[in-house]
Amino acid sequence: GQSLEQPSEVTAVEGAIVQINCTYQTSGFYGLSWYQQHDGGAPTFLSYNALDGLEETGRFSSFLSRSDSYGYLLLQELQMKDSASYFCAGSLTLDSSYKLIFGSGTRLLVRP
Amino acid sequence: DVKVTQSSRYLVKRTGEKVFLECVQDMDHENMFWYRQDPGLGLRLIYFSYDVKMKEKGDIPEGYSVSREKKERFSLILESTSTNQTSMYLCASSPIDREGYEQYFGPGTRLTVT
Repeated sequence: GQSLEQPSEVTAVEGAIVQINCTYQTSGFYGLSWYQQHDGGAPTFLSYNALDGLEETGRFSSFLSRSDSYGYLLLQELQMKDSASYFCAGSLTLDSSYKLIFGSGTRLLVRP
Repeated sequence: DVKVTQSSRYLVKRTGEKVFLECVQDMDHENMFWYRQDPGLGLRLIYFSYDVKMKEKGDIPEGYSVSREKKERFSLILESTSTNQTSMYLCASSPIDREGYEQYFGPGTRLTVT
């Protein structure tokens, strides 16, 4: 079946760096996305990797390795407001349509 | 800014009732999606639509149907609710050139079926 695995919870200290890993088993895979969701809020798009390597967007970076079916989200200079759930999502093609398959989410707790 | 709105934030229904969840987006996006979100399961795709009057089944379509009569509006219909449909329902939209990865989500409807 199609699945993405990520840790359920990660804790880190304000100002530190944290990495959230995601491994996937999907067919028709062509890219990996990351979404952030604060408690009670809607998921918001953070980043997308279509190619292997690192994509940087401010304090956030995302990495993809297709050969290892693996990616990660790197958050630097952690702030309290980064406490949220983070979802990796695999982009899949199905005939002529496209869809996302989400992981179960990683809850990040940033401590002072 | 893209705005996706959903008709209700909270709904409480009795088993067997019919429920309409409506979603409206204001950015002229071609693609629209309905998900449900449950603790520990992430977001699961129920149905999606890539054009008016078009619909595709997602991963868990059983017990649901959809309607897309206008480009900006995508409705999720629960014909006869059951307790296992208690969940958070999220609508999303996506432009055609980023349909496979960048989706804009509404605030969600928390449905409780008793």
